[in-house]
Formats: sequence, structure tokens, C-alpha cells
Amino acid sequence: GEDVEQSLFLSVREGDSSVINCTYTDSSSTYLYWYKQEPGAGLQLLTYIFSNMDMKQDQRLTVLLNKKDKHLSLRIADTQTGDSAIYFCAEGGGYNKLIFGAGTRLAVHP
Amino acid sequence: KAGVTQTPRYLIKTRGQQVTLSCSPISGHRSVSWYQQTPGQGLQFLFEYFSETQRNKGNFPGRFSGRQFSNSRSEMNVSTLELGDSALYLCASSSGTGDLNTEAFFGQGTRLTVV
Repeated sequence: GEDVEQSLFLSVREGDSSVINCTYTDSSSTYLYWYKQEPGAGLQLLTYIFSNMDMKQDQRLTVLLNKKDKHLSLRIADTQTGDSAIYFCAEGGGYNKLIFGAGTRLAVHP
Repeated sequence: KAGVTQTPRYLIKTRGQQVTLSCSPISGHRSVSWYQQTPGQGLQFLFEYFSETQRNKGNFPGRFSGRQFSNSRSEMNVSTLELGDSALYLCASSSGTGDLNTEAFFGQGTRLTVV
């Protein structure tokens, strides 16, 4: 079945790196995504990775994909207070359907 | 390029009423998907439309329906509202045309409260 799991909460100090982890079940997913949601807002697409890639870097963001273990991670370098939000991992379920995890709340403290 | 526009942003309805939400996708995008976000169930897929055809549907009762117009704008309708339908309804726009996923861009959502 389709299922995406993430840890629910992460607390980091400002300036440190944050790593948010996710596991998924559908090995046929072509894309895997990371979205950010701030309070009262919609979902912002942060980055995505194609399933034949192992890593993708985009400025402060690094996505690592381990297809064998069906494990996806998002690393945010030099985490700032503006990065405080909920981060959702999602896998593609075909025909533009997305299956989301429960979201990881990232809290950044001084 | 304008993003995904959802209207209205907020709605308050009474149990038993019906409601229609609107979504205008990014220009050139022909796929529109709808999601329900609640604290208890998280983000759940409702349905996806492409070129006025529903291609994919989530596990929601028949009270939830949608349609897409020739200009790719989409509406979703919820009839006989229940308290549990209170949620943030999100619309996503994609350029993908086939059966594989591509990038999906979301609107700000419509916050529906049922009293």
C-alpha cells in the first residue's frame, strides 16, 4: 500500500544543520518531494528528486535518496529562524496524485 | 507568472449546506488536484482532473465532487456538509500530462469551517 512516514518534531539551534527523514513504500514513484508549510499558508514546493538520482543539491538544501531502503532525507544547512515550519515529504502516486507524510515540525531556537 | 489561485480564502457554512470552492491553475497547466488537510488525518488526496476528465480519485464519500472547465479552472463541491468536513482545502496545479507525476504547485487554500 501507499504510505509515507516521517518523524513529527525536530528542534535545532540557529546556524546548525537540520536533517528531516522520511520513508516511503511505493518503489515505482518517479518523483519524491519536499514541501514547506508555514502557519496559515498553503504548501510551498521546496525541492524534488527524480527516482533515478541519489542526491540533489539546491543552495542550502540537500536531498538524499536511498532507493534500496526507500529512505529520503532533507538537509537544511545553516538553519535560520525563518526555516521554522512544517516540512512534508511526498511521493508521487501517479496522475499527479501525491501521498504525503504527516509532516515534521521544525523548531529553530537561538 | 501568476501562481495557483483559490477562492474564497475562508468560508463558514452550516451543517447540511453545500459549498463550492474554486481553483485557477498556473497558466498552461492542465492538471488540477484537490487535497483536504485536517489535524487528525493530515493531507489527503481528493481527486485529480486533466482536460476536464477525472483521472484519479481518493477515498472520500460521494458528497465530495469536482469538475474542470475547458480553461482548466476547477471547482470542488461538498454537499450536505458535516462538522468533520471542516478543513483546509488545497488545490495543486501540474504541467504533467501523462500518468507520471511532475512538479505540483499549491494554492494558499480555502479554510472551510462547518458550524
